[in-house]
Amino acid sequence: AQSVTQLGSHVSVSEGALVLLRCNYSSSVPPYLFWYVQYPNQGLQLLLKYTTGATLVKGINGFEAEFKKSETSFHLTKPSAHMSDAAEYFCAVPYNQGGKLIFGQGTELSVKP
Amino acid sequence: DGGITQSPKYLFRKEGQNVTLSCEQNLNHDAMYWYRQDPGQGLRLIYYSQIVNDFQKGDIVEGYSVSREKKESFPLTVTSAQKNPTAFYLCASSDIGRGSMNTEAFFGQGTRLTVV
Repeated sequence: AQSVTQLGSHVSVSEGALVLLRCNYSSSVPPYLFWYVQYPNQGLQLLLKYTTGATLVKGINGFEAEFKKSETSFHLTKPSAHMSDAAEYFCAVPYNQGGKLIFGQGTELSVKP
Repeated sequence: DGGITQSPKYLFRKEGQNVTLSCEQNLNHDAMYWYRQDPGQGLRLIYYSQIVNDFQKGDIVEGYSVSREKKESFPLTVTSAQKNPTAFYLCASSDIGRGSMNTEAFFGQGTRLTVV
């Protein structure tokens, strides 16, 4: 069955430091992967998605993610954290056709001044 | 502006009551979804609908019911059979017309339901 695992339920970084949020997917999933961000008491907003083609995907707010098939990973990075990046981040894969998504457990990012 | 509107944002329910959460979209999307979010558990799919007058069960359906009488609307009813309804509920939609698996979902702002 398809699944996605996010390593670390909580990550804390200093402002200006590198952000690295980890996501691994099961090898049975199709190569479509999504990262969403959720601010407190808000819905989810798409950060970026991988479909086919270039393995390095750039998203909004300076985030990017690299699809590595050999490692079954799709880690999210940002070179320099900003206070406004504090939020919860979800990695997701599709169930199958029909638009349903399987979400990871989420990683809460804290940014210290 | 196109988007998904959930209402109300906060909802309080007494034990034994049924409540209905509203979800409306003007994106002309065929598919709509309801997810439940609990701390540390990610999002879990309750029901989804790919076409009017049809819907399918997700992973957690006990104590929930839905209807899809109009393309733009997908209300969720939380019944008294749901033993632990306190959670954050998210509605989403996606354009699945071409059957692609790389279509992202668009989310509403959520409804926080609390049992009092």
